[in-house]
Amino acid sequence: GAVVSQHPSRVICKSGTSVKIECRSLDFQATTMFWYRQFPKQSLMLMATSNEGSKATYEQGVEKDKFLINHASLTLSTLTVTSAHPEDSSFYICSATPTSGYRDQYFGPGTRLLVL
Amino acid sequence: QKEVEQDPGPLSVPEGAIVSLNCTYSNSAFQYFMWYRQYSRKGPELLMYTYSSGNKEDGRFTAQVDKSSKYISLFIRDSQPSDSATYLCAITNFGNEKLTFGTGTRLTIIP
Repeated sequence: GAVVSQHPSRVICKSGTSVKIECRSLDFQATTMFWYRQFPKQSLMLMATSNEGSKATYEQGVEKDKFLINHASLTLSTLTVTSAHPEDSSFYICSATPTSGYRDQYFGPGTRLLVL
Repeated sequence: QKEVEQDPGPLSVPEGAIVSLNCTYSNSAFQYFMWYRQYSRKGPELLMYTYSSGNKEDGRFTAQVDKSSKYISLFIRDSQPSDSATYLCAITNFGNEKLTFGTGTRLTIIP
């Protein structure tokens, strides 16, 4: 149980385009979903927290207009990187929790984004 | 000073050896400690969690917390090649605030 999927697993795009990443909780309803970014040899950095049906809460330094998050249902959250640039290339990981707590997170397999 | 410090490695040990992975933290408000394992190009999976000083054992894995020194450890006994992964510590407080992750230690078990 407690499986979280992400799609796509890898994406390559040109600079200036937008990319959408999906995160789904497959066997539980996720009250809260989280989006992280992980650069090589660095720790996971929380980008934003989203609750179904409400606006996402972004961490300091994360541009909400650049990283659009939609949590339309209890099993799906999407992250859209708008007007992507090479510095946005990273490993994006979502997690979901059946409660509202940070401690009960189940992580997705991640999406590797490469912006050329 | 980072809130959580973790040696990124890489760390290579022969199969069967005991592995010791460590993190230090600076904020005494942290009360809940977790270890995650992350295989290459995959998301982290929770290995163990503890919220008190002392040891917690689960099979070949032992988590150790020393709150007085703000030091946490993960020991792996009888290490196997399948244990080769990056191990991340993560810490939060009892208020259940966001997790603070270490950088992760990349471990390779040599057959």
